[in-house]
Formats: sequence, structure tokens, C-alpha cells
Amino acid sequence: EAQVTQNPRYLITVTGKKLTVTCSQNMNHEYMSWYRQDPGLGLRQIYYSMNVEVTDKGDVPEGYKVSRKEKRNFPLILESPSPNQTSLYFCASSSPKGTDTQYFGPGTRLTVL
Amino acid sequence: KQEVTQIPAALSVPEGENLVLNCSFTDSAIYNLQWFRQDPGKGLTSLLLIQSSQREQTSGRLNASLDKSSGRSTLYIAASQPGDSATYLCAVDNNDMRFGAGTRLTVKP
Repeated sequence: EAQVTQNPRYLITVTGKKLTVTCSQNMNHEYMSWYRQDPGLGLRQIYYSMNVEVTDKGDVPEGYKVSRKEKRNFPLILESPSPNQTSLYFCASSSPKGTDTQYFGPGTRLTVL
Repeated sequence: KQEVTQIPAALSVPEGENLVLNCSFTDSAIYNLQWFRQDPGKGLTSLLLIQSSQREQTSGRLNASLDKSSGRSTLYIAASQPGDSATYLCAVDNNDMRFGAGTRLTVKP
């Protein structure tokens, strides 16, 4: 089954404790991206990757890091989480940018205390 | 900077009604425009994708149109059903993806 998986689905952590949210897709997609969704602000893009070893900033990259060492994986790293990063995070993937719909993961609900 | 606006923010209709959701954007230099559905607490499901060279796309009871010159797209839902109740998001693809805030649709039996 074609899918985008994220782990963990729910996470409660404390300020400053490094964490990684994993994202994996099994559709051999070149393009992957991360979004956060906040009430009243909608979905905003954090980072995206056009292919392996190619990443770029989205709308709200501050406080986040990403890497794309393999085509299928695109982890989101919060080196020093802060309460304002409490949010619902989505990973998505698609074929070459602009040509196909994006497939979204189920979301990761992160709470930073 | 691309801005995407969706009107109305919320809509409640009786079952069986035809309805139109609106999306407007400020920068017409887009690769494509997509409509998504989001159920509470869930991820996004793609409904329709319209490439920049296309005017409309249809899938079942859904029809989406795109007018790049005016920066507008509409999602038409025919014969609405309670199962259509969800939040509908439009997103435009420039160099990054920009989403509207969504329209929360409730279809009453």
C-alpha cells in the first residue's frame, strides 16, 4: 500500500530536549516536505527536499533541521524544542515537484512543555 | 509573497444541496493548485490537482476550476452528503506550497 508514515504520532517533551520525528514514504517520490498546522494559521511549510541531499527552507524553518540521506526518509529534527513549536506536524511526498499530488502522512502531535 | 484566501470559513448546508467553495491567491505564477480534504484529527487527502495549464478537473461529484489570470479557484460539490462534512483546503504551488485556512463544511442529514 502506498503510504507516508510518521513516527511518533504523539509526543510530549520538555523544552530543550532534542527530538526527531521520522518520515518515510514507499512510493519512490523525489519530493518530500514538512508542514506544521496551527489553529488560525493553517498549514505552513517548514522545509522541503527536491531529492536526495537537496533541501530548502519553506515558510517557517526557524528552530528546525532536516536531512535527506535516502530517498525514502526525511526526518525532522528539533535541536532545542521550545513551547512555540507545540503543533501538529505533517510530512508529505510527491513525484517531481509540480507534476503530481502530494500524499500526506497521518500527522504527529507534538507538545513542548 | 503568495497569499491564499478561502471563503467562506465555515458553511452548513442541508443534504442534497449543491455548493461552491472559493479559493483566491495573489501570485498567478503557480505550478498547480490542489484541493484537499481534512477530517478532524487526521491528515490531508488530495481531492483534485489542477496544473497551471488546465482550467478544470473533475472527480465524481467534485469539480474544481482554475482561473490563473484572476487568481481564483472554485470547488463545486454536487448533491452534498453528510459524509462530505470535513475541512476543505486549497493549496497553491509556487516554489513552496501555500495553503488557505480552509472551509469547514457541515452537511446536515
